[in-house]
Amino acid sequence: SAVISQKPSRDICQRGTSLTIQCQVDSQVTMMFWYRQQPGQSLTLIATANQGSEATYESGFVIDKFPISRPNLTFSTLTVSNMSPEDSSIYLCSVGAGYEQYFGPGTRLTVT
Amino acid sequence: GEDVEQSLFLSVREGDSSVINCTYTDSSSTYLYWYKQEPGAGLQLLTYIFSNMDMKQDQRLTVLLNKKDKHLSLRIADTQTGDSAIYFCAEKDTGNQFYFGTGTSLTVIP
Repeated sequence: SAVISQKPSRDICQRGTSLTIQCQVDSQVTMMFWYRQQPGQSLTLIATANQGSEATYESGFVIDKFPISRPNLTFSTLTVSNMSPEDSSIYLCSVGAGYEQYFGPGTRLTVT
Repeated sequence: GEDVEQSLFLSVREGDSSVINCTYTDSSSTYLYWYKQEPGAGLQLLTYIFSNMDMKQDQRLTVLLNKKDKHLSLRIADTQTGDSAIYFCAEKDTGNQFYFGTGTSLTVIP
């Protein structure tokens, strides 16, 4: 299994500002994933982050809005830039370990 | 993307069995998963099943897969109040892409 931690666990931010979310894994993993869960909704994949290469973004998500860093095999950050109330969501980091896929506890973001 | 659908709500009495259903459209699914999300928490992996299996049992949990009908179910025996949560099914395709269902909110009535 993999143990994933995220910081911050929650934040309230003002419109127009940016927030960087950190994800730390207790083991080395090749691929890390960032998901968004809007209120009352299911999970949507934002991007896949491989160490040493640019992140791959899903349709509807762009690097300027959600820049991602992946400096090593245990750590990644997701920045939510120029926030608006529509960005209020839970952001989850995820890693695969064999057949299993694990998720962090999530960062609950509220934009006012 | 692929469609993964679940009913939104389920209520059961404590001690009864719960059955949560899921349908999917991707015939190339490799693995199918069940996750539990308690209020304010992340997703907890409950169990998963390989697409060439039709059943998997793990303590109180039984997963049934009907690949022909693309139907997955999760049965929780002797449901407890601590089982109240949202349950997501998810399927992984051959490209390792995950698709999540809409989630089923299970309420256990004491």
